[in-house]
Amino acid sequence: DADVTQTPRNRITKTGKRIMLECSQTKGHDRMYWYRQDPGLGLRLIYYSFDVKDINKGEISDGYSVSRQAQAKFSLSLESAIPNQTALYFCATSVGSGDSYNEQFFGPGTRLTVL
Amino acid sequence: LAKTTQPISMDSYEGQEVNITCSHNNIATNDYITWYQQFPSQGPRFIIQGYKTKVTNEVASLFIPADRKSSTLSLPRVSLSDTAVYYCLVGDPAGGSYIPTFGRGTSLIVHP
Repeated sequence: DADVTQTPRNRITKTGKRIMLECSQTKGHDRMYWYRQDPGLGLRLIYYSFDVKDINKGEISDGYSVSRQAQAKFSLSLESAIPNQTALYFCATSVGSGDSYNEQFFGPGTRLTVL
Repeated sequence: LAKTTQPISMDSYEGQEVNITCSHNNIATNDYITWYQQFPSQGPRFIIQGYKTKVTNEVASLFIPADRKSSTLSLPRVSLSDTAVYYCLVGDPAGGSYIPTFGRGTSLIVHP
């Protein structure tokens, strides 16, 4: 079973709709992240959470919100989706401070299309 | 965080050695250099990390000169399956505020 899962894997929605993307992990990691990827632009950080009570904005947080329901769950919401939020979204986890590698582990991605 | 600069794209052929260089002029004393690989429609995966000199694992080698202002990821004898985007990250992974920052990466295309 995958250590980091994302649901849904694909979603098509309309402008103005509220959308929630969910991420779950079984790795026991404290840190979780949401990135979006657009063609040719690499990965850009939307939000990150270093533990359940910690939520921080990333590079491109406008139009998004998050919820860290538990150590294992980190959800990303688009309150009112717009077409330029069409992208591939990745969730990732890492151990946290003190780990010399702090390797990130990524989920399979959610492909979101906003019409 | 130290800013990194790497080529946008590279082409190679099967069996060749590929070297991708990353510049990080403002690297800090406690920063490590980490490389990730991303295949199409998949999340990135960690491939190698180093602090100085040379690091080698089963996938790649990482060369870091004494001044640490650049680093070179070396992929020996590439195959078609090495076609991917490669990202160079610089930061202190053990630091309390470490936030992995991915740029645009280097798109490597391996030709038959």
